[in-house]
Amino acid sequence: GIQVEQSPPDLILQEGANSTLRCNFSDSVNNLQWFHQNPWGQLINLFYIPSGTKQNGRLSATTVATERYSLLYISSSQTTDSGVYFCAVTNYGGSQGNLIFGKGTKLSVKP
Amino acid sequence: DAGVIQSPRHEVTEMGQEVTLRCKPISGHNSLFWYRQTMMRGLELLIYFNNNVPIDDSGMPEDRFSAKMPNASFSTLKIQPSEPRDSAVYFCASSAGGRVRRTDTQYFGPGTRLTVL
Repeated sequence: GIQVEQSPPDLILQEGANSTLRCNFSDSVNNLQWFHQNPWGQLINLFYIPSGTKQNGRLSATTVATERYSLLYISSSQTTDSGVYFCAVTNYGGSQGNLIFGKGTKLSVKP
Repeated sequence: DAGVIQSPRHEVTEMGQEVTLRCKPISGHNSLFWYRQTMMRGLELLIYFNNNVPIDDSGMPEDRFSAKMPNASFSTLKIQPSEPRDSAVYFCASSAGGRVRRTDTQYFGPGTRLTVL
């Protein structure tokens, strides 16, 4: 099945710093989502981005489907950005709509 | 919209007991997913419904697990009998996508944290 690899696995930032999280996938996809799992466990949908670029406030994401990767940019990080960021994909040739999750990037933003 | 609703939020039970987890998807969504999250295995799909019909249950661990969707606004995941290794957070998600248009955003509920002693 499709493999989803995220890097780095852990990231510690000082408040105000910028960061880039990466997601590589091993096959063509027709669905890619970025999620933030907050310290209370809630999975919050950040972007639906199977291709192209989107921005939402301090966050933006870019997916280059032909090269099989996606990037999540966090600018001017805040302590509330802490948590785990997941990339999840649906295989283009798959028979289901289920998401395959990467192992996540754990982000800690220090005040 | 209230989003995806799950109940209970926390469940503590003893080994051998029956556990029932409940989910109400977002109104108008026709796909529903049950996921399980553990430290060892991360987030993994258990079962996927489209228009109340189970499409893929290959992720269901074993016969002790069963899921139903009697109507478009309600689904249950049942574990009988429960075992300590079933301890995990169980998420329900829904989307407007279906078997043809599979690419819609999935929205997750708050999860049910299950502890089996």
